Amino acid sequence: GAGVSQTPSNKVTEKGKYVELRCDPISGHTALYWYRQSLGQGPEFLIYFQGTGAADDSGLPNDRFFAVRPEGSVSTLKIQRTERGDSAVYLCASSLSRATDTQYFGPGTRLTVL
Amino acid sequence: QQPVQSPQAVILREGEDAVINCSSSKALYSVHWYRQKHGEAPVFLMILLKGGEQKGHEKISASFNEKKQQSSLYLTASQLSYSGTYFCGTEQTGANNLFFGTGTRLTVIP
Repeated sequence: GAGVSQTPSNKVTEKGKYVELRCDPISGHTALYWYRQSLGQGPEFLIYFQGTGAADDSGLPNDRFFAVRPEGSVSTLKIQRTERGDSAVYLCASSLSRATDTQYFGPGTRLTVL
Repeated sequence: QQPVQSPQAVILREGEDAVINCSSSKALYSVHWYRQKHGEAPVFLMILLKGGEQKGHEKISASFNEKKQQSSLYLTASQLSYSGTYFCGTEQTGANNLFFGTGTRLTVIP
């Protein structure tokens, strides 16, 4: 079946702009995760959804970052007033029901803030 | 909370073996191992749950010592396709997410 998909694959924006990054998880996966990966680093946890609710958003760096998953499937990560330090690859992963299950990663969105 | 991986990088000739270590200061419920090639998404290798089990996947296996909060990934008779960055992701007891290490860059040369 189809894997995790993310759009866009690349996003270039200017400092101060608003961006939305989309993640389409594997069908039937109730758990969805957003990570941020900077060059030479491992994925950094941002937020975890179980169904429609954000079960753990402790990794969001500040209130400029927000994510939704209104119907328990597709999720959107929203970043307001982007800063150059937000530049990174944003990875989405989904798993069947919880963290102990295998997390399948999408290809990521490379965000560049000029 | 981020686990520590060692070594940071290793270069092997085809057919040689390698061990990658992952250590946490927190009590762990599970350890996940991934391999990521440049510009691609991390690809799942295996999960180890607490209980000290050792798992194998072809010539790649891993162990998990929950008392020491450590896991090791063993690559035997390495192939060129093993090149990439290996990450361990640790799930702490009671948590819902993974914390990933900084990775170990493995390069296999002919």
